[in-house]
Amino acid sequence: SQTIHQWPATLVQPVGSPLSLECTVEGTSNPNLYWYRQAAGRGLQLLFYSVGIGQISSEVPQNLSASRPQDRQFILSSKKLLLSDSGFYLCAWGVNSPLHFGNGTRLTVT
Amino acid sequence: GESVGLHLPTLSVQEGDNSIINCAYSNSASDYFIWYKQESGKGPQFIIDIRSNMDKRQGQRVTVLLNKTVKHLSLQIAATQPGDSAVYFCAENPPQGAQKLVFGQGTRLTINP
Repeated sequence: SQTIHQWPATLVQPVGSPLSLECTVEGTSNPNLYWYRQAAGRGLQLLFYSVGIGQISSEVPQNLSASRPQDRQFILSSKKLLLSDSGFYLCAWGVNSPLHFGNGTRLTVT
Repeated sequence: GESVGLHLPTLSVQEGDNSIINCAYSNSASDYFIWYKQESGKGPQFIIDIRSNMDKRQGQRVTVLLNKTVKHLSLQIAATQPGDSAVYFCAENPPQGAQKLVFGQGTRLTINP
């Protein structure tokens, strides 16, 4: 069966520090991969998606970037965090099916 | 732009009662709709989905209804249990490829004992 892993579960980072969140998927090949952000009490906003290795599409202008160095690995990064980058970051995968989400990383930028 | 919204941000029902959560979507070309359940501190969990060529689909204690005429989606949960307490999101899949789901704001469902 397919599983998705995100880490870390929580993270507190100072303004201006770098960020690297990792997501890996097991049990499937060539999935579409997604990064969503969820503000407190709100819905999910799509940040990036990828349909293959090295292929990244950005949905909103922001301080973040994404990379897909391997088929089942998706990384969310920032060189310098802003206070507004705080939120709940969710990775998801899908292949002609509903998206399946990881349990997220709660990022607090202080 | 595209948007998916929910009529009620919060809903409280008595345990054992049925609940209905509503959702409006704006893109008439969307062809696939999904309901997710999100518990505190966790990622959204898939509940049920429906394609635009159907108007009703049933699962275990859940039913999704789709009314394309008025662009309305609903989730019915029968015989609610305490474990049903969560935030429920609807999502639509506009015909853009790559399953770029658009999510609504969410409804918090509370089951009272």
